[in-house]
Amino acid sequence: DQQVKQNSPSLSVQEGRISILNCDYTNSMFDYFLWYKKYPAEGPTFLISISSIKDKNEDGRFTVFLNKSAKHLSLHIVPSQPGDSAVYFCAASAWSGNQFYFGTGTSLTVIP
Amino acid sequence: ETGVTQSPTHLIKTRGQQVTLRCSSQSGHNTVSWYQQALGQGPQFIFQYYREEENGRGNFPPRFSGLQFPNYSSELNVNALELDDSALYLCASRRNSATNEKLFFGSGTQLSVL
Repeated sequence: DQQVKQNSPSLSVQEGRISILNCDYTNSMFDYFLWYKKYPAEGPTFLISISSIKDKNEDGRFTVFLNKSAKHLSLHIVPSQPGDSAVYFCAASAWSGNQFYFGTGTSLTVIP
Repeated sequence: ETGVTQSPTHLIKTRGQQVTLRCSSQSGHNTVSWYQQALGQGPQFIFQYYREEENGRGNFPPRFSGLQFPNYSSELNVNALELDDSALYLCASRRNSATNEKLFFGSGTQLSVL
């Protein structure tokens, strides 16, 4: 039962353009959402988060948008840089639980 | 500030054996979680420890067990290893068990069961 889904396994973008990574969830109790970036042979590193009381959060080149009615969130990276090439996971948690639910990841390649 | 460290980085075991993986949490963090990441999948929650007590568990059988020590470091033990246990095991810590506290991950232990 995959409660967090990333339906695009991979994405290629030209350097300088915008990267948009998408994530859908099914559990309406989720109220905290995060994006993690993972390089090979390393653990996931935190990128940006958003709580359900907001619909947008920005941090430099990274912006996360949350659409609660659609149970959808997206990560925008602009401008994309070659160093952004990695696997991106979205994750969600509910206030009543202790676990984070992760999607299967999207592999982003930024082409110089 | 020391991050989350895990040992060993790689491990090869045979079916039926037992394994212990170790994790030191980031300084100032009292909550540790373990996740299993199979190839091509996202991390799956195994369990969480807060102040030496298990306070959350995912859909994993009892042969997956853990400990947290007074210094907040942790162990993951897996008994009677099966081939499907081959995966990257990730330890994550956070400042406390509040649900809006983000996870900080270690680099993981790659376990291969032959």
